[in-house]
Amino acid sequence: DSGVTQTPKHLITATGQRVTLRCSPRSGDLSVYWYQQSLDQGLQFLIQYYNGEERAKGNILERFSAQQFPDLHSELNLSSLELGDSALYFCASSVDLGITEKLFFGSGTQLSVL
Amino acid sequence: GENVEQHPSTLSVQEGDSAVIKCTYSDSASNYFPWYKQELGKGPQLIIDIRSNVGEKKDQRIAVTLNKTAKHFSLHITETQPEDSAVYFCAASRGNQGGKLIFGQGTELSVKP
Repeated sequence: DSGVTQTPKHLITATGQRVTLRCSPRSGDLSVYWYQQSLDQGLQFLIQYYNGEERAKGNILERFSAQQFPDLHSELNLSSLELGDSALYFCASSVDLGITEKLFFGSGTQLSVL
Repeated sequence: GENVEQHPSTLSVQEGDSAVIKCTYSDSASNYFPWYKQELGKGPQLIIDIRSNVGEKKDQRIAVTLNKTAKHFSLHITETQPEDSAVYFCAASRGNQGGKLIFGQGTELSVKP
């Protein structure tokens, strides 16, 4: 168990809908990262938050947004969902913004858009 | 853009044999190279990492080598066991982007008893 909690484990929804994925980082970790895993794109970095502030952005669509709350949990919001958004979404956490970061991944949320 | 190529995509070995997975990165500014193991239904788990100022690192049956000139790094697993069966991912990142990892496509390792 990595200590990173993601809910829900599975999510099935329809095109055009909006969903929210939740992540609780390991106790004491200030950084949260979101990754998307799909068969064709592999593991892709989406966005990073550190202590409530956005720190880095990757290949995140404009339809997607995230935030990190004062208690350090994070939410990834996906809107106007398309079939291609079906993927496994991982949250990871690390202690801080050190040069090399050991990331601890949650078990992921499997999103199916029908 | 930044890219990490990983080979092979699948690897099958007999229990007790060695397994080698190779990765090549494109961004010469990369200086941190972790390896992750992903088992079915779970998230990636860090198994070993290496920084660019080190050429080799070993942890029990697992070792990683780095060739900065050629921009490639490899994972070596010796005395493989069935519980080593999983998907392995290499990754690379720049020093100031620790958590923004660029992952390879993964290698599905199967260790046959």
